[in-house]
Amino acid sequence: QAVLTQSASLSASPGASASLTCTLRSGINVASYRIYWYQQKPGSPPQYLLRYKSDSDKQQGSGVPSRFSGSKDASANAGILLISGIQSEDEADYYCMIWHSRASAVFGGGTKLTVL
Amino acid sequence: EVQLVQSGAEVKKPGESLKISCQASGYYFSTNWIDWVRQVPGKGLEWMGIIYPGDSDTRYSPSFQGQVTISADKSINTAYLQWSSLKASDTAMYYCVRGGYGNDAQGGFDIWGQGTMVTVSS
Repeated sequence: QAVLTQSASLSASPGASASLTCTLRSGINVASYRIYWYQQKPGSPPQYLLRYKSDSDKQQGSGVPSRFSGSKDASANAGILLISGIQSEDEADYYCMIWHSRASAVFGGGTKLTVL
Repeated sequence: EVQLVQSGAEVKKPGESLKISCQASGYYFSTNWIDWVRQVPGKGLEWMGIIYPGDSDTRYSPSFQGQVTISADKSINTAYLQWSSLKASDTAMYYCVRGGYGNDAQGGFDIWGQGTMVTVSS
């Protein structure tokens, strides 16, 4: 079982909100981790969006709009990237990441967001 | 402007060696960790390893340990990723990224290089 699992794809309409989830493998407690989120558009390197561990431990990437925000769902053992007021330019792949055991960074498989 | 500029695309044959570079500018190179990330075409991101240019402390993902070598030359603000014997499965885009600061190796990747495409084919 992968350390981080993301849905392969998600569709949303302009102006709507979308929640992208990043589920941690059983036995890895989401409460203990900073979840990092990245956005990658076709043909470009990923860009750093934000980091979220708790409301007192979070960081927005430089220049990242506030309509991108992070949270957690403890019951689902998952990190969440919420995108509000979706725009066509938000169509991209989104990756979550944590620093796991042996001091290694691990990425989720990515979610492709399509704006219909 | 803070940026990481990587060397150009490479086309190599299996068994050949290769060293790609990542030059930093706009910040003090020695105090931020540099990580390397692989992306096979059409696939996701994989973390390869990390180096602290200040003292060349280097760590590898178990998946890449022994397969690549990460190094840095702080006198010219440049990090490197090298292979001694390439395989077709090494075909991918490779990104250098600015990571954690100082003692905190486990930071976010806030600055990304433009990527170096490595193609290994006979």
